[in-house]
Amino acid sequence: GEDVEQSLFLSVREGDSSVINCTYTDSSSTYLYWYKQEPGAGLQLLTYIFSNMDMKQDQRLTVLLNKKDKHLSLRIADTQTGDSAIYFCAESIRTDSWGKLQFGAGTQVVVTP
Amino acid sequence: DAGVIQSPRHEVTEMGQEVTLRCKPISGHDYLFWYRQTMMRGLELLIYFNNNVPIDDSGMPEDRFSAKMPNASFSTLKIQPSEPRDSAVYFCASTLWDSPNSPLHFGNGTRLTVT
Repeated sequence: GEDVEQSLFLSVREGDSSVINCTYTDSSSTYLYWYKQEPGAGLQLLTYIFSNMDMKQDQRLTVLLNKKDKHLSLRIADTQTGDSAIYFCAESIRTDSWGKLQFGAGTQVVVTP
Repeated sequence: DAGVIQSPRHEVTEMGQEVTLRCKPISGHDYLFWYRQTMMRGLELLIYFNNNVPIDDSGMPEDRFSAKMPNASFSTLKIQPSEPRDSAVYFCASTLWDSPNSPLHFGNGTRLTVT
């Protein structure tokens, strides 16, 4: 099966940019997602990108995709304390439903003043 | 829109007891997913339904786990008998249709502790 890997922890100062990295293994066309989980809450979809794209920008969020290296990153500009959360990279498993996702272990982002 | 509603938020039970987790999807959503989150295995898909019909239950750990969706607004995940290794956060998610552009909406989860 596919594996999605992420670094486990990131500390960043308020106002700086955060970059969260992820690698995936499925070589076929797929969708890749970034979810955010705040303490005690479910996962919230932040953004997604199709694997034939290189970049997607949505306000403070920029997703970069390196298809050759199967590397995905999420950049958060002007990081705020409210951005402290666990961020999950996920890949659609692409069998019978787009809702079947392979998640990474999550990156805990801590924003310090 | 109240979002996906799960109950209870926390459940503590003793090994061997039956546990029932509940989920109310967003009205009109045709797809419902049950995911489990543990420290060791991360987030895993257990089962999903389309129009109340179970489509893929290959992620259900074993026969002790069962899930039902008697109508479009309610689903249950039952564990009988429960074991300590079932301790996890169980998430229910729903989506409007089966498309990569249709995001999964997650509930806040049920934290299950089996002692």
